Amino acid sequence: QVQLVESGGGVVRPGGSLRLSCAASGFGFSGHGMHWARQGAGTGLEWVAYISWNGKSTEYAGAVTGRFVISRDDSTSTLFLEMNSLRPEDTGLYYCVKEFNTGWTLEFWGHGSQVIVSS
Amino acid sequence: EIVLTQSSLSSPVTLGQPASISCRSSQGLVHIDGNTYLSWVQQRPGQPPRLLIYQISKRFSGVPDRFSGSGAGTDFTLKISRVEAEDVGIYYCTQGTRFPWTFGPGTRLEI
Repeated sequence: QVQLVESGGGVVRPGGSLRLSCAASGFGFSGHGMHWARQGAGTGLEWVAYISWNGKSTEYAGAVTGRFVISRDDSTSTLFLEMNSLRPEDTGLYYCVKEFNTGWTLEFWGHGSQVIVSS
Repeated sequence: EIVLTQSSLSSPVTLGQPASISCRSSQGLVHIDGNTYLSWVQQRPGQPPRLLIYQISKRFSGVPDRFSGSGAGTDFTLKISRVEAEDVGIYYCTQGTRFPWTFGPGTRLEI
């Protein structure tokens, strides 16, 4: 069955950096677009970033453009999110999400990795 | 950016009764490929979101048939024909037609 396991979260000071990883299994990782989404404490969902199945195309939410970088390693079926210049408003639970095979739909979500940005 | 707004439910909902949530988009959601990528996800307490409905009305694998989606253009609806206890949670509409992808603010279903 599909599994997405996020890791790499933690507590970081404003201006700091973190790298999230998402280990994927149970499906053909290299054939799917992948996304990151996040959720603040007690708040709604926010889409963060997308990478195409071949890694050649990426898209970002305006709030993270220029600070976050999404990437993938198909040899290890791993998705990454490099987060720089972190701000308190970046605090939240970060989800790795598999795109549906027909595209353009968030199909399967991991359980998330908690990121806290605080001084 | 496409903004999605959602209706609230008259809380709490009675078990066995129907429930309906609406989602309105600030722009039409027809993709250049002709499909409309409006979907609904359910988030139960303490759980990650789960896909229920995609492309307006297609039920995802394993989703009970009491869930249905409809709509077109900028107005969409999620209906639960008979609410069950396990349906408690927050429901979000979301669009994948244009970047940045966006979510509605969520609608809480309580029993």
